[in-house]
Amino acid sequence: ELKVEQNPLFLSMQEGKNYTIYCNYSTTSDRLYWYRQDPGKSLESLFVLLSNGAVKQEGRLMASLDTKARLSTLHITAAVHDLSATYFCAVDPKGGDSNYQLIWGAGTKLIIKP
Amino acid sequence: GAGVSQSPRYKVTKRGQDVALRCDPISGHVSLYWYRQALGQGPEFLTYFNYEAQQDKSGLPNDRFSAERPEGSISTLTIQRTEQRDSAMYRCASSPSFSAQYFGPGTRLLVL
Repeated sequence: ELKVEQNPLFLSMQEGKNYTIYCNYSTTSDRLYWYRQDPGKSLESLFVLLSNGAVKQEGRLMASLDTKARLSTLHITAAVHDLSATYFCAVDPKGGDSNYQLIWGAGTKLIIKP
Repeated sequence: GAGVSQSPRYKVTKRGQDVALRCDPISGHVSLYWYRQALGQGPEFLTYFNYEAQQDKSGLPNDRFSAERPEGSISTLTIQRTEQRDSAMYRCASSPSFSAQYFGPGTRLLVL
């Protein structure tokens, strides 16, 4: 069974701290996505990681992909309250040129306290 | 508009009625997806279109659910003889090839 596991599922942290969210998956893939969802809102694409060793950064967020370990990380640097949201990773199990039926993690709910 | 739009945003219906949910993808996006999302959960894949072709409908829960995209643009997800368990947020997403999916605001369906 194809699985995508995120941990932690819930994270409460103080502003200014660093932390990492982990996304492990059980199938061969070289394409992984990170999304953000604010309460009551839709999903917003953050990062698309398309190859082993890919690293992308946007502001205080940095995502990386290790396809050999089947692991992606989302690192938060010096967290600020505005980053409070639920973060999802999603894996394309087919790779290649298909882009459907992503396998989604359960999401990590991140609360950043002032 | 610049993004994916969905209508209606909210739909309340009585059990046994049919509902049609509409998705208007970003212009030029080849791929279109329908998802269902329960509160506190990740999206659950329902079906996928490449242009007008429905290439994967393996996520549709049963034969009461159907979807079409006749001209390769707007798509409609239809649920016949709705049941209370169909209550959920239904989300549409579109994508150009080899790229992230862009999600619409969703349609909140409540079946009484």
